[in-house]
Amino acid sequence: ETGVTQTPRHLVMGMTNKKSLKCEQHLGHNAMYWYKQSAKKPLELMFVYSLEERVENNSVPSRFSPECPNSSHLFLHLHTLQPEDSALYLCASSQDNPDNYGYTFGSGTRLTVV
Amino acid sequence: AQKITQTQPGMFVQEKEAVTLDCTYDTSDPSYGLFWYKQPSSGEMIFLIYQGSYDQQNATEGRYSLNFQKARKSANLVISASQLGDSAMYFCAMREENDKLSFGAGTTVTVRA
Repeated sequence: ETGVTQTPRHLVMGMTNKKSLKCEQHLGHNAMYWYKQSAKKPLELMFVYSLEERVENNSVPSRFSPECPNSSHLFLHLHTLQPEDSALYLCASSQDNPDNYGYTFGSGTRLTVV
Repeated sequence: AQKITQTQPGMFVQEKEAVTLDCTYDTSDPSYGLFWYKQPSSGEMIFLIYQGSYDQQNATEGRYSLNFQKARKSANLVISASQLGDSAMYFCAMREENDKLSFGAGTTVTVRA
């Protein structure tokens, strides 16, 4: 366990389904991130929350909707996804203006859209 | 433009030998941080080593060392005495002054017995 917990680990969903990914950290960090990792592509930053406010949305389609109810929890709500959205979704946390240890990542949710 | 470039998609290394993974970066920020992460097949990203742009010495963490050449904007990772458990994907990443972490495409390392 890294200190950042993601659930579920695996998710298969149809294109008309609605599901949510959950991320939880108890490291005392005040910034949280969603990354998408597709095959053979660099990790793509999707959303950044700092002090529970969204500070970055890298032009992510509206079918992905993040929610950060408090500094320890981050959700990614999914609806009407496309097959190309199948990927590993990684959550990370850090201390804003982090020291030299960068981000702490969760184990990811492997999403398959059918 | 790509901020982090890893030119080696995959590498094979014999057990107990050393392997060097290449990483070059592009930034105009005077202050930045460079990281290497390991990603096994299970998916989690494991922090390995960090180098600050103002650090005078190359970072070392156990069998990992970072060959930092600032003028050439390179931050190669050296894994010494490779073990079978080192087989994984390795990512180079950079944190700029905006605190965002950008990743390279990764290098797959396969350690042979």
